Amino acid sequence: DGGITQSPKYLFRKEGQNVTLSCEQNLNHDAMYWYRQDPGQGLRLIYYSQIVNDFQKGDIAEGYSVSREKKESFPLTVTSAQKNPTAFYLCASSMGWERNYGYTFGSGTRLTVV
Amino acid sequence: AQKITQTQPGMFVQEKEAVTLDCTYDTSDPSYGLFWYKQPSSGEMIFLIYQGSYDQQNATEGRYSLNFQKARKSANLVISASQLGDSAMYFCAMRGAIQGAQKLVFGQGTRLTINP
Repeated sequence: DGGITQSPKYLFRKEGQNVTLSCEQNLNHDAMYWYRQDPGQGLRLIYYSQIVNDFQKGDIAEGYSVSREKKESFPLTVTSAQKNPTAFYLCASSMGWERNYGYTFGSGTRLTVV
Repeated sequence: AQKITQTQPGMFVQEKEAVTLDCTYDTSDPSYGLFWYKQPSSGEMIFLIYQGSYDQQNATEGRYSLNFQKARKSANLVISASQLGDSAMYFCAMRGAIQGAQKLVFGQGTRLTINP
């Protein structure tokens, strides 16, 4: 079955460490997105990519980095510069950017700083 | 700029009652799509229903229907005969055809609790 796989499901990070969250899709979707969600809050866009080797900053890109070397993969690195990284991270993909194309989401990664 | 507003942070409904979740939007795009997603406590985001701005009829998917009032810029989700499993966060989102084409814009969400 096609879908998006995020790993790991839970991640613990020590302060000062960089960590990388994985996002892989086998839907042949062109666009991919990373969102951050804090408890009881909405989704905030971190980065998005519409095509391989290209990506754009979202609303809260500071302290995060991404790469898009393959169509299927869009990993997110949470760097030590991100002051408050504890949150739920959702990856999503979209077939394109027509108005009727919604997102398919992964199951999320819950990151905790210890 | 596009904006989605969900004015109900939380709602409590008795099981088997119908419930309406409010969503208003603002966009300069002449053509756009509106989406509703459900997020249970597990965290996954589940697509519920889609409405295109030029669709003549309100969208329906099983117990879900979308009350689309274009002139009022509202796209309320109606859940008929609510069930305990409907307890979740619900997000309204939109995507424009031109300016807003690159990504969906989400509202802040409404937490729905169904009481037995």
